[in-house]
Amino acid sequence: DAGVTQSPTHLIKTRGQQVTLRCSPKSGHDTVSWYQQALGQGPQFIFQYYEEEERQRGNFPDRFSGHQFPNYSSELNVNALLLGDSALYLCASVDSYGGWTYNSPLHFGNGTRLTVT
Amino acid sequence: ELKVEQNPLFLSMQEGKNYTIYCNYSTTSDRLYWYRQDPGKSLESLFVLLSNGAVKQEGRLMASLDTKARLSTLHITAAVHDLSATYFCAVDIRSGGGADGLTFGKGTHLIIQP
Repeated sequence: DAGVTQSPTHLIKTRGQQVTLRCSPKSGHDTVSWYQQALGQGPQFIFQYYEEEERQRGNFPDRFSGHQFPNYSSELNVNALLLGDSALYLCASVDSYGGWTYNSPLHFGNGTRLTVT
Repeated sequence: ELKVEQNPLFLSMQEGKNYTIYCNYSTTSDRLYWYRQDPGKSLESLFVLLSNGAVKQEGRLMASLDTKARLSTLHITAAVHDLSATYFCAVDIRSGGGADGLTFGKGTHLIIQP
């Protein structure tokens, strides 16, 4: 059973460019969240998608946007990249019933390491 | 704004010793999660604590939650090298349960030396 998969694993971009990161949730999971983890810090919540809509959002600017597809996979888009956007981007998934009924923990992918130069 | 503070942020200890990591949070919550992260790896769920007084144990790790004190502890008993990792606590204050966005602490970087 494949867990949460993310692509690409590493990415190097230049300031001002745009980037798209991709995530496939664990089988059976319908809710996808994105987190940004700067070096030496804890993950910070960006947003969450459920039923193809953004359900919750953290304190991130509009340059960060996302999408969820009918198969529950998701994309994170970042426009006008800044040096400070360099981080590990983690995708996490959970099944909505387990998450909201039993407080099941999130399952995280291995992340995409984004470097902005 | 919810704040989650862990201490210590860095801990070096010897095998066989006991130690406790503390996680304080600023807003009432009855859902707290502990995760482990190995270098270059993703986060692995360790414990989900859902009520005041909750205590869970897995091997040499035991986690507890005091919602009145807004404090969770992760206790390590007779540490072994394999437990070397970064440990994060995370809190959720929204009503939707574990599927909601979490606020993480900065993590405790634990090194266990032979």
